[in-house]
Amino acid sequence: EVHLAESGGGLVQPGGSLRLTCVASGFTFSSYEMNWVRQAPGKGLEWLSYISSGGTTIHYSDSVKGRFTISRDNARNSLYLQMNSLRAEDTAFYYCARDQNNYGSPQRFDYWGQGTLVTVSS
Amino acid sequence: LPVLTQPPSASALLGASIKLTCTLSSEHSTYIIEWYQQRPGRSPQYIMRVKSDGSYIKGDGIPDRFMGSSSGADRYVTISNLQSDDEAEYYCGESHTIDGQVGYVFGTGTTVTVL
Repeated sequence: EVHLAESGGGLVQPGGSLRLTCVASGFTFSSYEMNWVRQAPGKGLEWLSYISSGGTTIHYSDSVKGRFTISRDNARNSLYLQMNSLRAEDTAFYYCARDQNNYGSPQRFDYWGQGTLVTVSS
Repeated sequence: LPVLTQPPSASALLGASIKLTCTLSSEHSTYIIEWYQQRPGRSPQYIMRVKSDGSYIKGDGIPDRFMGSSSGADRYVTISNLQSDDEAEYYCGESHTIDGQVGYVFGTGTTVTVL
């Protein structure tokens, strides 16, 4: 059974940093592209970042480009999101999502984790 | 940026059918979209991919009650024999490349209420 488990969320002050982790199980992690998607409380979904199966192709949304860094460790079945210069508007649930397709771009998010809440506040 | 337009809400009686619409911006009217369901307090779940020709591919475990279709710039998911478990937010999503920049956009979502 496919399982994605995010961790690392919490309360952080504006301007601070946080690193999220998503641990995958139940499938061959190294064969799949992965994404980060967030959802502010009571709001809709926002795609943030994509990484190819080997980690060589990466894409970001304009809202996080230059502040967030996606990475992965296939030996540890883990996906990461390093978040720097955090702002109040970054407060959200953060989800990792597996990409079903292998197109070199975000396409089809077939499995999602349960999410981890990041709160940016002083 | 491309825009995916969804009505904010929709409702139907228990056991009836409901058809949800996702409208692509005109310049992306032939694009493929994905449908996602998010039940209250839960993470999103993948439903299906819908192409411009109306063909669709469902995700794992999605019941036969869910069907996809398409007309022009509109992409649909129809849920028949509506169940209380279908009460959820439904989002469509689209992948795109604009001026060499890759991105993904979600619609604003439709809240489905089962009466």
